[in-house]
Amino acid sequence: TQLLEQSPQFLSIQEGENLTVYCNSSSVFSSLQWYRQEPGEGPVLLVTVVTGGEVKKLKRLTFQFGDARKDSSLHITAAQPGDTGLYLCAGAEGAGKSTFGDGTTLTVKP
Amino acid sequence: GAVVSQHPSWVICKSGTSVKIECRSLDFQATTMFWYRQFPKQSLMLMATSNEGSKATYEQGVEKDKFLINHASLTLSTLTVTSAHPEDSSFYICSAVGTSGTDTQYFGPGTRLTVL
Repeated sequence: TQLLEQSPQFLSIQEGENLTVYCNSSSVFSSLQWYRQEPGEGPVLLVTVVTGGEVKKLKRLTFQFGDARKDSSLHITAAQPGDTGLYLCAGAEGAGKSTFGDGTTLTVKP
Repeated sequence: GAVVSQHPSWVICKSGTSVKIECRSLDFQATTMFWYRQFPKQSLMLMATSNEGSKATYEQGVEKDKFLINHASLTLSTLTVTSAHPEDSSFYICSAVGTSGTDTQYFGPGTRLTVL
């Protein structure tokens, strides 16, 4: 079973600050997904990255896939209270199965 | 696109009864679906992999006779919690793999099960 270490586990910041969440593994993934989950709801897909070194932007969110496809980062610029939630990374192992990180609980205070 | 629904969104039942949860891919066909359990403020815990037309593959420690999974069609998988007990109370989430070729999982909204 592949492992995916996600950090930090908890993050509490003020509105307007920047932050970065990391996912690291010793294993290579064919693709990697980032999700955001709000309490009582299912995870919502933010992005899928496939190519090593790939960078994708979604408004104030920037996602990067490591060159070796073993790690990824999520950077949020000028965080807003609406960004509050549980962020999950998932590395695709093949055959549809994925390894999930332990999650980062982000709280953005107004 | 890639919408997954779950029904019911919440259910309360008495100890000893069975509860069925449905997971449907609404706008795509899913040969593979997954069932997860999630505890408060924790990540997802994979319970089983459901493949259309074949038996589900359960993760270590998950009782297959207690958590019955049926994947009868390319758009529907069901999870039945048999003889539910209070310790089975949890948030159950399903996902379905899309057809993009990247193994991206699309999640349902989850089902909150409370066993009294």
